[in-house]
Amino acid sequence: DTEVTQTPKHLVMGMTNKKSLKCEQHMGHRAMYWYKQKAKKPPELMFVYSYEKLSINESVPSRFSPECPNSSLLNLHLHALQPEDSALYLCASSHPKEDTQYFGPGTRLTVL
Amino acid sequence: KNQVEQSPQSLIILEGKNCTLQCNYTVSPFSNLRWYKQDTGRGPVSLTIMTFSENTKSNGRYTATLDADTKQSSLHITASQLSDSASYICVVSSRGSTLGRLYFGRGTQLTVWP
Repeated sequence: DTEVTQTPKHLVMGMTNKKSLKCEQHMGHRAMYWYKQKAKKPPELMFVYSYEKLSINESVPSRFSPECPNSSLLNLHLHALQPEDSALYLCASSHPKEDTQYFGPGTRLTVL
Repeated sequence: KNQVEQSPQSLIILEGKNCTLQCNYTVSPFSNLRWYKQDTGRGPVSLTIMTFSENTKSNGRYTATLDADTKQSSLHITASQLSDSASYICVVSSRGSTLGRLYFGRGTQLTVWP
């Protein structure tokens, strides 16, 4: 299995809603990443987990809360988002000793 | 400052024609360079990866070149197909960088017309 899966594919939420994005990989990778990508822009790194521990937080607002419950799963909990948070959210994974990152298909998030 | 610049920003070609995309980088120390293809609204998919010692690498109709001295890379697409329409992103990894530190170009938006 060489695939990173993300659910849901699309999500529309209001500014008062609480929702979660999910990411899963079964490649034995121990590093997992969340990126945010606006239209026609490159992905921007948000968080990095290494061996289920948060190793990088790129000064992301607290309305985004990551969670890594085990080595195969990565969640991004969303609360009180703003319309400008609408974007494609990408998950990626890699072996800690290699820097090739495998990306999931993304979740298209729209905040109303 | 570590940067990755790509040109052209967008490109339109006719089906069956060839094209070449450019990437210049100032990332140092250099580890490797990848070209990704990203369809609209989808995650990036790796096409090629090249290390310092590699000059060229092919993946089907895609051929990437790397000149580590001038810090330039190119991606050549042969006999383009409609399905090649996508954004092509050059991504450079820095040796010794902290986990997850990739440097992304802004991408070249390729459109293939029938």
